[in-house]
Amino acid sequence: SYDLIQALSVSVALGQTARITCGGNNIGGKNVHWYQQKPGQAPVLVIYRDSNRPSGIPERFSGSNSGNTATLTISRAQLGDEADYYCQVWDSSVAFGGGTKLTVL
Amino acid sequence: QVQLVESGGGLVKPGGSLRLSCATSGFTFSDYHMNWIRQAPGKGLEWLSYIRSSGSTIYYADSVKGRFTISRDNAKNSLYLQLSSLRAEDTGVYYCATDAHGEYFMDVWGKGTTVTVSS
Repeated sequence: SYDLIQALSVSVALGQTARITCGGNNIGGKNVHWYQQKPGQAPVLVIYRDSNRPSGIPERFSGSNSGNTATLTISRAQLGDEADYYCQVWDSSVAFGGGTKLTVL
Repeated sequence: QVQLVESGGGLVKPGGSLRLSCATSGFTFSDYHMNWIRQAPGKGLEWLSYIRSSGSTIYYADSVKGRFTISRDNAKNSLYLQLSSLRAEDTGVYYCATDAHGEYFMDVWGKGTTVTVSS
């Protein structure tokens, strides 16, 4: 199975930029997708295919992927962005990262 | 709009069985590939199974292969997951999710149904 490594937690000051990383062996050669999950709710797709936003997702959410690291960037962080964020790839099966809890201070 | 509603969860004893359903609406179900994903209490997401729109291709996670069976009824716009030989570690919230693009990611998720395996 393909291992995806995420930090357990990331903190960001209100209005600043948060960066959540997802590490994997040559992950830059794969398509990376990101999900946001707020407490008690189902996950929501926020970025697909490295850097594409589904309709309804704010432009503040962006993604990049190169080498061994994919990054989800949240600009002008808001209190409503507090959530767990999961990266995901396909490598003969679906693999999820362990998730990163984002705290907005 | 796309709606997914899971049902069939509940309390079951170890070794028991359960059938989960995912009722769908708001899209042409027969055109969409589908997934089941679960989340143990306080843990991360775990993908379980995938089925192609036609039902011709199915994948399972190693952790459930041989115990869980995914299926679909395109005439009823419904997805199913048969759970058997259940263990305590199968406890969690089970989600169904669409894969509209055929690129193995989950566009839309249901709200989930809870399975508890306990004696």
